[in-house]
Order: sequence, then structure tokens, then C-alpha cells
Amino acid sequence: GQSLEQPSEVTAVEGAIVQINCTYQTSGFYGLSWYQQHDGGAPTFLSYNALDGLEETGRFSSFLSRSDSYGYLLLQELQMKDSASYFCAVRDKGGGGYQKVTFGTGTKLQVIP
Amino acid sequence: DTAVSQTPKYLVTQMGNDKSIKCEQNLGHDTMYWYKQDSKKFLKIMFSYNNKELIINETVPNRFSPKSPDKAHLNLHINSLELGDSAVYFCASSQEVPLRGYGYTFGSGTRLTVV
Repeated sequence: GQSLEQPSEVTAVEGAIVQINCTYQTSGFYGLSWYQQHDGGAPTFLSYNALDGLEETGRFSSFLSRSDSYGYLLLQELQMKDSASYFCAVRDKGGGGYQKVTFGTGTKLQVIP
Repeated sequence: DTAVSQTPKYLVTQMGNDKSIKCEQNLGHDTMYWYKQDSKKFLKIMFSYNNKELIINETVPNRFSPKSPDKAHLNLHINSLELGDSAVYFCASSQEVPLRGYGYTFGSGTRLTVV
């Protein structure tokens, strides 16, 4: 089966940089994605990495190392509105020939003034 | 607006009742999902349909039955509701984009409370 690990909580200061790590164990790995979820809201897609390296989208970047089964989400120039839960999610080979996405337990990021 | 919409947003019901949640997407995606998010925010997949065909059916009690009349709709019917069914249920859809991966688009969620 799959397992993903990410810190449960992270606190960072407004304007700073924060990195949220994710390690995973799975077979038939296809890619790692990241989602943001504000309290009471729906998860929203942030990024997807299928290959090793860094993908940048504005203030957010996501990194993947397939050999280390590791990825991270980097948030720069933190803003108060970035306070939310962040989920990593592994896409891998599910049953029946279809791919499946499994979510981590989420990291609650609190941005403080 | 293009989106994944699910109804109702809130559902409070008594144990033993039967209830349904509806989901529709107008994004033209081929695949739709039901996820359950518990009080600890753990998102667990329940079902997935691709073009009306059930492709993922996790270890979910038989009381839960999904139905996809067409690829734009995926409904969830729950029989004999139990206290442990209280959670937020999210519908989602996705479409793979070659070389760019994919991303799920989630509905706003249905907060189910069983009393």
C-alpha cells in the first residue's frame, strides 16, 4: 500500500519562506501533487511533479526527488492568507490498471505577523 | 461558471435514514471521485468513475452506493446512516494533460452530520 508522511503543523512569520516536506512509500509511482485547503473550504490544486526537480508557480515551488521518495512545497514571501492546510498526494498504480491518488494527512501552516 | 458543484452543502439527519449527495461537473473531465474527509482532515478516496465506469472502489461499506448516469454526474447514496458517517464528503473531477500531469478540481463539499 501507500504511505505518506508530512509534518502535522508548521508556524512561520509573514514575509518569510517555509518548506513543507513530504516523504512517501509506494509502488508504481507516477507523480506527487500538492493541494491547499483553507478551513471550511475545498482542497485546491497547487502543483504536480512527475519528474525530478523544481517546479515554480509564482510564490509557490514544488520539488521532487524520485530516488529519495521525497518532495517538498516551498512557499515564499508568506502572506497571512497562506494560513491553511497543505496536502501532498501521491499518484500511483492502483488496481485494475487505473491510477490512484492518495493524500497525506496534511500540514497545518500558521502564518503569524 | 465552470466548476464542480455538489448539493447539498449541509446535511443533518438521524441515524438509520437514507440520504443522497449529488455532484455535477461542467469541465468536460472524464474521471470523477468521491472523497471522505474526517474530523482530523484525512482525505480518503471512496470511489472513482471514468466515463461512467466504476474504476476504484475502496473498502467502503455496502451502505454507500455511487451512481454515474453520465460522465458529468456522480451521485452518492448512503443507506442506514450511522454516527461514524459524519464527515465532509468531497466530489472531485480530473483530466490528465499529457506532459503536464493533472490536478483534481474539488466541489465545495457536503458536511454530513448524523445525530
